[in-house]
Amino acid sequence: DAGVTQSPTHLIKTRGQQVTLRCSPKSGHDTVSWYQQALGQGPQFIFQYYEEEERQRGNFPDRFSGHQFPNYSSELNVNALLLGDSALYLCASSFGYNEQFFGPGTRLTVL
Amino acid sequence: DAKTTQPPSMDCAEGRAANLPCNHSTISGNEYVYWYRQIHSQGPQYIIHGLKNNETNEMASLIITEDRKSSTLILPHATLRDTAVYYCIVTGSARQLTFGSGTQLTVLP
Repeated sequence: DAGVTQSPTHLIKTRGQQVTLRCSPKSGHDTVSWYQQALGQGPQFIFQYYEEEERQRGNFPDRFSGHQFPNYSSELNVNALLLGDSALYLCASSFGYNEQFFGPGTRLTVL
Repeated sequence: DAKTTQPPSMDCAEGRAANLPCNHSTISGNEYVYWYRQIHSQGPQYIIHGLKNNETNEMASLIITEDRKSSTLILPHATLRDTAVYYCIVTGSARQLTFGSGTQLTVLP
């Protein structure tokens, strides 16, 4: 049984560009959450998707948006990239409000 | 969600029990205590969670004090692979995990 998978593993972008990160949840899970982890800090909650809708959102600007597909997979989009958006982006899946299982993350570098 | 306080770092000898403390004095009655760990540059790994009773699984034991203001995660026989940052999180549900700074556990040979 595959766990949570994310793509790509690494990504390099320049300021002002847009980026899309992808996440496939663990089998049987219907809820996807996204987190941002800057170097040396703990993960920070961005938002959570359930039934293809954003259910809850953390303190992140509208440049961060997402989508969940009927097969429960999810995308995270970031527009107008800033240097400060460089981070490890983590996807976590769960069945409803049960414990969340994390993927390996996507390392985004903004130059 | 209640705030948690953890020591920034701890050492443990390989093969010995590792006891990681967490204070959560403002926890409310419907909030759970969750523990995750993160090995360098990997995604966090779920360990265990509890409400008020002690819990045990194949990875660890969670001891919650009777007043619920603190808890201890116990790794019974620490190995080098247990070296990681351990996060104690209090949440009303698992919907929005708020990670603090965690405890860097180093298991020494």
